Amino acid sequence: EVQLVESGGGLVQPGGSLRLSCAASGFPFSSYTINWVRQAPGKGLEWVSHISSSSNAIYYADSVRGRFTISRDNAKNSLSLQMNSLRAEDTAVYFCARYSHLTFLTGASYALDLWGQGTTVTVSS
Amino acid sequence: IVMTQSPATLSVSPGERVTLSCRASQTVSRNLAWYQQKPGQGPRLLIYGASTRATGIPARFSGSGSGTEFTLTISSLQSEDFAVYYCQQSHNWPPLTFGGGTKVEIK
Repeated sequence: EVQLVESGGGLVQPGGSLRLSCAASGFPFSSYTINWVRQAPGKGLEWVSHISSSSNAIYYADSVRGRFTISRDNAKNSLSLQMNSLRAEDTAVYFCARYSHLTFLTGASYALDLWGQGTTVTVSS
Repeated sequence: IVMTQSPATLSVSPGERVTLSCRASQTVSRNLAWYQQKPGQGPRLLIYGASTRATGIPARFSGSGSGTEFTLTISSLQSEDFAVYYCQQSHNWPPLTFGGGTKVEIK
């Protein structure tokens, strides 16, 4: 089955750390760019980070740059998000999502075409 | 690029035609996607390239627009379509940016 499965969420105190994982199956993981997207309780979607297939292009949202680190292990079909110096505003469901180059009749575009079910991170004392 | 969706909430009856709007603060060409999200689930890709349905998406979903103005239309709302819908641009990134969402609820 083609899927992404997140894990590693939990309750952590402000200033603490947490490492999220995303396990891929059913598709050639090493060929795809992956993003992390989060959703605060009752809020919309917020892009967090991006890593290209070979890890040579990595980007972060301003809100997490310098605190979060994205990495991947293509041999293990897995992705990680190391989150340090966590704040209350990092409380959210974190999704990993595959970023695919999709073609249509007159061109092509990128979109997040496969999402996991999410893992919940709560930052609170 | 700031993405703005309207309305925030839409109350409709099953079988009705629904039109959701998404506006970009600057042109995104046709690099616009629509997603559906149900409670407790990750989002699902509906439309990419502004108007192309993703694999397995029913024909009642259609997208249109280019530049800064986009529309998602559901021709005849089914019970399983009650959800939150997001637009997202991939024209000028990082960051990828999403609209605030439109919740389609039962009237």
